[in-house]
Amino acid sequence: AQTVTQSQPEMSVQEAETVTLSCTYDTSENNYYLFWYKQPPSRQMILVIRQEAYKQQNATENRFSVNFQKAAKSFSLKISDSQLGDTAMYFCAFIPIPASKIIFGSGTRLSIRP
Amino acid sequence: GAVVSQHPSWVICKSGTSVKIECRSLDFQATTMFWYRQFPKQSLMLMATSNEGSKATYEQGVEKDKFLINHASLTLSTLTVTSAHPEDSSFYICGATGYGYTFGSGTRLTVV
Repeated sequence: AQTVTQSQPEMSVQEAETVTLSCTYDTSENNYYLFWYKQPPSRQMILVIRQEAYKQQNATENRFSVNFQKAAKSFSLKISDSQLGDTAMYFCAFIPIPASKIIFGSGTRLSIRP
Repeated sequence: GAVVSQHPSWVICKSGTSVKIECRSLDFQATTMFWYRQFPKQSLMLMATSNEGSKATYEQGVEKDKFLINHASLTLSTLTVTSAHPEDSSFYICGATGYGYTFGSGTRLTVV
């Protein structure tokens, strides 16, 4: 079975600090995508960052970067210079290739304090 | 970029009535559409997967007669909650593949 585990239900950091959200997954597939989605209070699912499993280089999008460890099946998200607008639920997700259903972790509620 | 439009964004209905939620891919053809349900402070729970022109595949425990899914075209999928009851109140969100993986903005259903 394919699973995604987020071990941190809640996190809170001060504005401008760096925070890392952890995610591990389990799969026997060799090709897949990994995602981090942000869900603010509006509940819109917003794609933060995406990683293809065949790429060794870690994905980066401005203040957001990942640490992808394929052998360890780990996919953590680092948010640098955190901002109040980063307050949201963050979901780690996995899709095998060819694309079928997306599998979500249980989420991490991140709060940025002013 | 890929946009998925979901309507309505919120709906209140009386117990026993049916309500339809639409999910449209606006600028791409959605090979597959997914319907999720999300309870407060929880993750998204996949309800069913639909492919254009074929019957939806429901996840275990999801009542197919209560949650009717129609995927009539490559750009439109609908979820109809039939004979709604208060316990069906939830946040429903659709997703589509065809251009990456894109979500609609969700529908908050309240059954009174």
